[in-house]
Amino acid sequence: ETGVTQSPTHLIKTRGQQVTLRCSSQSGHNTVSWYQQALGQGPQFIFQYYREEENGRGNFPPRFSGLQFPNYSSELNVNALELDDSALYLCASSQWGNTQYFGPGTRLTVL
Amino acid sequence: GQNIDQPTEMTATEGAIVQINCTYQTSGFNGLFWYQQHAGEAPTFLSYNVLDGLEEKGRFSSFLSRSKGYSYLLLKELQMKDSASYLCAVRDSNYQLIWGAGTKLIIKP
Repeated sequence: ETGVTQSPTHLIKTRGQQVTLRCSSQSGHNTVSWYQQALGQGPQFIFQYYREEENGRGNFPPRFSGLQFPNYSSELNVNALELDDSALYLCASSQWGNTQYFGPGTRLTVL
Repeated sequence: GQNIDQPTEMTATEGAIVQINCTYQTSGFNGLFWYQQHAGEAPTFLSYNVLDGLEEKGRFSSFLSRSKGYSYLLLKELQMKDSASYLCAVRDSNYQLIWGAGTKLIIKP
């Protein structure tokens, strides 16, 4: 059984640029959740996708957007990057309503 | 608002027992999770409670009291590799996870 994978591992961007982060969910999972985690903080919920539809969103601006594909993999897109967007971005997959399992994360640095 | 509180940092000795507390106030409750996170790594699932009482899994146990909005994670026979952050998360009425800031556990020899 393949676990959750994310790409890239690390990324450096400059203010104003756009970034796309990718997540492959664990086999058999139909739900993907994205989180932003600043250093020393708990994860902050960005949004969740279930069967290709967004079905929950945290307190993040519209420049954070996402997609889920028919194979349940997912993308997180962030436009007009700001310095405060520097963080670890975590993707977690699950069967709807069950335990979430995390990928290794993408460390984004915005300069 | 929704709030989850955990101590910021705790220190314990190798071989000892430590209890990490978590209190919560959320809009709805559909279960409480504990995750372990080593520095620079992703959280890994430890335990899940949805009914009151104690769940035991090897050296780790987790307790829940829904009426008190309270949980704890108990770690026995501490090992150096248990040095990590421990995150408490509550699944709310929308089935979204609300997270605490984590408790950094330092194990000393």
